[in-house]
Amino acid sequence: GDSVTQMEGPVTLSEEAFLTINCTYTATGYPSLFWYVQYPGEGLQLLLKATKADDKGSNKGFEATYRKETTSFHLEKGSVQVSDSAVYFCALIEGSQGNLIFGKGTKLSVKP
Amino acid sequence: KAGVTQTPRYLIKTRGQQVTLSCSPISGHRSVSWYQQTPGQGLQFLFEYFSETQRNKGNFPGRFSGRQFSNSRSEMNVSTLELGDSALYLCASSLNSDTQYFGPGTRLTVL
Repeated sequence: GDSVTQMEGPVTLSEEAFLTINCTYTATGYPSLFWYVQYPGEGLQLLLKATKADDKGSNKGFEATYRKETTSFHLEKGSVQVSDSAVYFCALIEGSQGNLIFGKGTKLSVKP
Repeated sequence: KAGVTQTPRYLIKTRGQQVTLSCSPISGHRSVSWYQQTPGQGLQFLFEYFSETQRNKGNFPGRFSGRQFSNSRSEMNVSTLELGDSALYLCASSLNSDTQYFGPGTRLTVL
């Protein structure tokens, strides 16, 4: 079945460092790909998405490119801030199945 | 537009009881999906409703059920609660099973 694998955390960075969180997926068709962020005590917020190969999603300085050849959707940010500390989830949805399939999440801590 | 709302935000129940959680989707969204989040299992899909019909279901026992009303509001019910049902229950709405927007969740604690 479909699955998402993302790098294990936690990831600890200093403010203004470069961030990469790796995400790869397995799918039978052509899924849409998402990054969600969860702050402590809250639900999931959509960070960015891409719906087809070579699409780049971007939001709040975060970017991710849908790479079909490597089945990847790595999240990047050039300069992280303390306020970016959260758990990040990579996810896919295929067709009209209605269910997102999530990775296990990567906890990011940014130190001042 | 108002976001997805879930009530209550916190619940404490004892084993054997039942519980009903409520979700109001974003106005105009017809699809509502429910997820369970636990530290051990992560985020797992429970079921999806679209226009009052269950369209997709995850791998959970029959104690977990749901429904959707004509105004797209949805409820999920868990009967005969077990300790392992303690979790954050998240509801998400979308226009048609595409980009899903999540509510703040209901934190259920089973004692």
